[in-house]
Amino acid sequence: EPEVTQTPSHQVTQMGQEVILRCVPISNHLYFYWYRQILGQKVEFLVSFYNNEISEKSEIFDDQFSVERPDGSNFTLKIRSTKLEDSAMYFCASDGDAHIEQFFGPGTRLTVL
Amino acid sequence: QQQVKQSPQSLIVQKGGISIINCAYENTAFDYFPWYQQFPGKGPALLIAIRPDVSEKKEGRFTISFNKSAKQFSLHIMDSQPGDSATYFCAPKGGGNNRKLIWGLGTSLAVNP
Repeated sequence: EPEVTQTPSHQVTQMGQEVILRCVPISNHLYFYWYRQILGQKVEFLVSFYNNEISEKSEIFDDQFSVERPDGSNFTLKIRSTKLEDSAMYFCASDGDAHIEQFFGPGTRLTVL
Repeated sequence: QQQVKQSPQSLIVQKGGISIINCAYENTAFDYFPWYQQFPGKGPALLIAIRPDVSEKKEGRFTISFNKSAKQFSLHIMDSQPGDSATYFCAPKGGGNNRKLIWGLGTSLAVNP
């Protein structure tokens, strides 16, 4: 069964450093998403991406964040200068035109020290 | 602004009992109403979902009841099992081209053996 994969599973970084979180969505999907979940809190939408551009972003997704689909398979989230409050689980999700179910990856736990 | 209110925050049920989790929403543009199940350390996984043109959907032990006029939908887990112990999220989807999921705060369900 196809699945969304994410790497790394855990990333530890120092405040102010740049991080790149990587995702491989399901191959025939067209819509890609990043969500985050601060420990013990709800899941929050960050950004959606379609046809090589951002289709929607939340207030959280400020100019410190960027997304990219550098090739036909990867979808990345970059945080330019991490803050302590960026510590969270980051989930990548994807869905296709004919399917509105969003499939989620296992997440990357980001710890900012 | 809390568009989605989920209750209860936590729930303890005996094996074989019925678990009921409720979700109230404000945005009448939502057009897809899923429940996601999340186990510790894993990404959310779609459990069951309903469209607003039906009032109930059943899949095995899981049932969604949808009340459009009251802007509420609920998840019923019949014959609850210890393996159902997880966190459950309602996450309705914005209508039309708005594909992001708006998440409830989650319900931690514990099913005692």
